[in-house]
Amino acid sequence: QLQLQESGPGLVKPSETLSLTCTVSGGSIGTPNFYWGWIRQPPGKGLEWVGSIYYTGTAYYNPSLKSRVTIALDTSNNQFSLRLNSVTAADTAAYYCARQRDVTAAGYWGQGILVTVSS
Amino acid sequence: QSVLTQPPSASGTPGQSVTISCSGSSSNIGSNTVNWYRQLPGTAPKLLFYTNNQRPSGVPDRFSGSKSGTSASLAISGLQSEDEADYYCATWDDSLNGWVFGGGTKLTVL
Repeated sequence: QLQLQESGPGLVKPSETLSLTCTVSGGSIGTPNFYWGWIRQPPGKGLEWVGSIYYTGTAYYNPSLKSRVTIALDTSNNQFSLRLNSVTAADTAAYYCARQRDVTAAGYWGQGILVTVSS
Repeated sequence: QSVLTQPPSASGTPGQSVTISCSGSSSNIGSNTVNWYRQLPGTAPKLLFYTNNQRPSGVPDRFSGSKSGTSASLAISGLQSEDEADYYCATWDDSLNGWVFGGGTKLTVL
């Protein structure tokens, strides 16, 4: 059974970089034809796509975040990562990692990690 | 303001049927397939439908998805208390070049 688990700091200071890792077990991130994505949800609000990366390493980002986001694969550790630069309070959210069967259909999700941006 | 429009709330009594709508435009629903997600309180979203009406294994056939033109719908029959959740539609938007979600519909089983 495929499982995903987010990890990283739960508190980030404004203007600093948010860094999260998603560790995948029960399957390989190199499996053809799957995307690996990050989706976030501010407290009490709806879902927002942050970005996704194809198994080949090609990344796709939310245009509104593109200048600040980097998603990368680490095949040696079966992980993928998210870096979001210059964070503000508006970036406070639960961040979920997911495996996508196509660019918008995420069939497997991590449990999520709450990241708070505050000094 | 979400690109896809959903009613913020819906409700029904046990055993009833309810339909949740998702309205978009030609650049999103009109030209791409729709997926639906269900999110129970405090948990991660779960894929309910992909490619408009394809049900992942484990999703009861009380749930059905459909799409017509620039709108999509999620129908639930035989409502049960455990159906209380937030429901989100999602698709790709060709103009925004991104994955977009509806604002979500909170379903209450009275």
